[in-house]
Amino acid sequence: DAKTTQPPSMDCAEGRAANLPCNHSTISGNEYVYWYRQIHSQGPQYIIHGLKNNETNEMASLIITEDRKSSTLILPHATLRDTAVYYCIVRGFLYGQNFVFGPGTRLSVLP
Amino acid sequence: GAGVSQTPSNKVTEKGKYVELRCDPISGHTALYWYRQSLGQGPEFLIYFQGTGAADDSGLPNDRFFAVRPEGSVSTLKIQRTERGDSAVYLCASSFSATRDRGSGANVLTFGAGSRLTVL
Repeated sequence: DAKTTQPPSMDCAEGRAANLPCNHSTISGNEYVYWYRQIHSQGPQYIIHGLKNNETNEMASLIITEDRKSSTLILPHATLRDTAVYYCIVRGFLYGQNFVFGPGTRLSVLP
Repeated sequence: GAGVSQTPSNKVTEKGKYVELRCDPISGHTALYWYRQSLGQGPEFLIYFQGTGAADDSGLPNDRFFAVRPEGSVSTLKIQRTERGDSAVYLCASSFSATRDRGSGANVLTFGAGSRLTVL
């Protein structure tokens, strides 16, 4: 079973920031938080990952709470092409652990 | 190659037939994963390989499903006696490593476009 909880759907206005929450209250010390997204009819695409510090790349920012029990993915200026299902996954780097996807959050960016 | 390649992109078969789905990972990636995805659901883990060996096959639903990766590169997912419930998109992903990320990004998965299987 997935170790994360996400809202099933969210809307965001084009050009505004999209803030996607994820709860992972049972995360353990060796587990990273990964975010992927899946645009219709394509395979999932990696966005960003982090352990405990906030991370930023060209696609998004990842904010992880100090207790690491939740995180937020931020798309700073959402466009229509950001409409997708966003998956939050926790995964450790010990042997045998794999990526378990939940149902994700369906983000709709509205014009 | 430049990305993860999956063939065929679409496969229609009849109930009871045998099917093979092929995945060609990114060159140099040692870890390879298979998932399947039904409409409206997230990807469901099936099996992953580290090199030639299956490191975790706990997601294979039953013994009709089998996967191989004999030379540590291309993998084939094999489904015997297909059933209508096997209809789904089968996704393959690869990463540089499954075990030694340490935050380097080596575990990041790159997915293929998937093979859509329809069992009539």
